[in-house]
Amino acid sequence: AQSVTQLGSHVSVSEGALVLLRCNYSSSVPPYLFWYVQYPNQGLQLLLKYTSAATLVKGINGFEAEFKKSETSFHLTKPSAHMSDAAEYFCAVSWGGGSQGNLIFGKGTKLSVKP
Amino acid sequence: GAGVSQTPSNKVTEKGKYVELRCDPISGHTALYWYRQSLGQGPEFLIYFQGTGAADDSGLPNDRFFAVRPEGSVSTLKIQRTERGDSAVYLCASSLMQGQAETQYFGPGTRLLVL
Repeated sequence: AQSVTQLGSHVSVSEGALVLLRCNYSSSVPPYLFWYVQYPNQGLQLLLKYTSAATLVKGINGFEAEFKKSETSFHLTKPSAHMSDAAEYFCAVSWGGGSQGNLIFGKGTKLSVKP
Repeated sequence: GAGVSQTPSNKVTEKGKYVELRCDPISGHTALYWYRQSLGQGPEFLIYFQGTGAADDSGLPNDRFFAVRPEGSVSTLKIQRTERGDSAVYLCASSLMQGQAETQYFGPGTRLLVL
């Protein structure tokens, strides 16, 4: 069965440090890949998505992610963390549109940023 | 413009009661999804509507759960004979459904607590 694994339920970084949130998927067919961010008491907001164009995808708020087919990974990075980046981050996959557009999510990684 | 809205934001009910959760999608979005997010987990797909019809309800956990979208806009998720295990945040998302990997826009969710 297809699945998404996010390594590390909690990640803590210092302000200004590199942010690296890991995501691996399990599927024989490369999926479409998404990163969403969830702030407390708010809905999920799309950070970026991979749709089989460029493997390095740039998103909002300075985040980017690289699709690596050989590693079945789509890790999220940001060069310099800001206090406002503290939130929960979810990696998700889908295999198309319509009924194949249902998102399968990882369990999430809570990012803390220390001053 | 207005995003996806969900009402109520919080719902407390007693075991065995019936509840309805409402979702107002972004105007013009034909695709609508319901997800359920349990504590410490990522959202899990429940049901997908394309227009008025439920195109995929494979994620509904059992026949106590039902959803409608009679006019192709607002959707209501209905849960009969609620159980404590139904406690979760119920998320709604909508998209334009114009092609593959269309971005889903999420509402803030309804937090359901079954006592």
